[in-house]
Amino acid sequence: DTEVTQTPKHLVMGMTNKKSLKCEQHMGHRAMYWYKQKAKKPPELMFVYSYEKLSINESVPSRFSPECPNSSLLNLHLHALQPEDSALYLCASSQATAGTEAFFGQGTRLTVV
Amino acid sequence: AQRVTQPEKLLSVFKGAPVELKCNYSYSGSPELFWYVQYSRQRLQLLLRHISRESIKGFTADLNKGETSFHLKKPFAQEEDSAMYYCALNAGGTSYGKLTFGQGTILTVHP
Repeated sequence: DTEVTQTPKHLVMGMTNKKSLKCEQHMGHRAMYWYKQKAKKPPELMFVYSYEKLSINESVPSRFSPECPNSSLLNLHLHALQPEDSALYLCASSQATAGTEAFFGQGTRLTVV
Repeated sequence: AQRVTQPEKLLSVFKGAPVELKCNYSYSGSPELFWYVQYSRQRLQLLLRHISRESIKGFTADLNKGETSFHLKKPFAQEEDSAMYYCALNAGGTSYGKLTFGQGTILTVHP
């Protein structure tokens, strides 16, 4: 299994809602990532988890809260988002070693209304 | 700070023509460089990494530290090469895992 699976594929939420994005991989990767991608722009790194510990937070607002409950799962909890947070959210995973390939999920298309 | 520049947003060639997608980077350490590709309605996937020195689907890329470049080349483009191509840099050390993407180049190969 060489896939990173993200759910849901699409999500519409109001600014007062709380929702979560989920990501799962079974490749034994110990590094997992959240990226945000706006239309016609490259992915931008949000968070990196290495061995289930948060190692990089790219100054992401606290309304985005990541969680890595185990080595296969990565969540992104969303609360009080703004319309400008609407984007494609990509999860990725890799071996936690140098020069390694990152495997990306299909993404969750988030719309904040 | 690390930075990746892809000067061409769009690149069009005819089938069978050579193609070169440019990538320049800015990074003070020893970078790990990659080319990722996104075909229509598919997920982002790795095409090449500089440490492998391999050729994938006829594409090659050489890291030139003097010119801080990692251009992607293919001698004879095919229609199925049409896609979005991202050059990316992975910092090492304490910034391990921080993958920075260039703006991307949309390659269109005409029949």
